[in-house]
Amino acid sequence: EVQLVESGGGLVQPGGSQRLSCAASGFSFRTYWMSWVRQAPGKGLEWVATIKQDGSEKYYVDSVKGRFTISRDNAQNSLSLQMNSLRAEDTAVYYCAKLVRDEDGHWFDPWGQGTLVTVSS
Amino acid sequence: SYELTQPPSVSVSPRQTARITCSGDALPKQYAYWYQQKPGQAPVLVIYKDSERPSGIPERFSGSSSGTTVTLTISGVQAEDEADYYCQSADSSGTYVFGTGTKVTVL
Repeated sequence: EVQLVESGGGLVQPGGSQRLSCAASGFSFRTYWMSWVRQAPGKGLEWVATIKQDGSEKYYVDSVKGRFTISRDNAQNSLSLQMNSLRAEDTAVYYCAKLVRDEDGHWFDPWGQGTLVTVSS
Repeated sequence: SYELTQPPSVSVSPRQTARITCSGDALPKQYAYWYQQKPGQAPVLVIYKDSERPSGIPERFSGSSSGTTVTLTISGVQAEDEADYYCQSADSSGTYVFGTGTKVTVL
């Protein structure tokens, strides 16, 4: 069974940093692109970042460029999101998701249960 | 990036048909995907590549595409289908966009 388990959420002050982790199991982690998607309280889904299988390509939504860094450790089957210079608008549940890509489509399946990051003083 | 627009809400009686639309200029060139999200839970993929249904998803969920609009159809709606539904697509620059979301209420 594919499992994605996020951790590292919590309360952080504006301007602070937080590192999220996602432990993957049940599939060949090193062969898949991976992503982070977030959801602010009561709001919709927002794609945040994606990383290629070997880490050689990374993509970010404009609002987090220069502040967030996605990375992965294929030996440990883990995905990370380092978040710096956090703002109140970064408050959200952060989901780790396996990105399925074939020759003509890209979709997220499955998703982890999410971890809540609250940016507040 | 571009936008995907969905109606905020759809209401439907049990055993009737719910249709949720998603509109975006890039949809004629890119596939769409649909996710179901129940309160307090993570999203679950219910349709991929416009109209394909993943294993384990009930047959009452179907998808279609026409021009700049894709549609998720739930036939014979059940109480357990009450949830938020999001469409998603990709653009050519390696980024992804989600629709605005539709809350389906079963009356």
